[in-house]
Amino acid sequence: GAGVSQSPSNKVTEKGKDVELRCDPISGHTALYWYRQSLGQGLEFLIYFQGNSAPDKSGLPSDRFSAERTGGSVSTLTIQRTQQEDSAVYLCASSRTTSRTGGSPLHFGNGTRLTVT
Amino acid sequence: GQQVMQIPQYQHVQEGEDFTTYCNSSTTLSNIQWYKQRPGGHPVFLIQLVKSGEVKKQKRLTFQFGEAKKNSSLHITATQTTDVGTYFCAGRYGRGSTLGRLYFGRGTQLTVWP
Repeated sequence: GAGVSQSPSNKVTEKGKDVELRCDPISGHTALYWYRQSLGQGLEFLIYFQGNSAPDKSGLPSDRFSAERTGGSVSTLTIQRTQQEDSAVYLCASSRTTSRTGGSPLHFGNGTRLTVT
Repeated sequence: GQQVMQIPQYQHVQEGEDFTTYCNSSTTLSNIQWYKQRPGGHPVFLIQLVKSGEVKKQKRLTFQFGEAKKNSSLHITATQTTDVGTYFCAGRYGRGSTLGRLYFGRGTQLTVWP
């Protein structure tokens, strides 16, 4: 594919329901990030996958949030028992393996806008 | 610790004025990247700085990496309405196999009045 693909682009769910957000990174990209962005705010780091290493989950806000990356490619972010404060745009980004020169740029998807009613 | 601070959070300028945003880390960075996010869009990579004291230019944009590799700046000369958006810096720590994830600053939202 040409870029990072995220689905769905919009998701409206009722409080208490579970949601799954999907990210298809650029082929061959070994690094994958999930961020959350509320309206007019910065990027809140959630989780980072790099190759076969254990993911950096330090940004997940609660145990209702989890993410996995199957086969080093597609990633799914799951939010259980959604709350209204979970409403935000969830952005996924991928990059090639970091190099000796310091790393490759992140390519972001268009995001999933999650609204919890 | 590993944290990138960015100021100012907001900047409002009249078209034609200059604009600068600053990023700072208490510990040495291995490299720093800059991104621009247009309203309603997603962040788009602008540039990466790796060397101490490095300066790079893209038309009216000038990017600098400090000598100690702890700070960086983005300067826009003679802003235009097309420069509107949020500018993020993102730093990385470590070297080689310990090179870790990117740490994003909070971003600077630039508004340009015509």
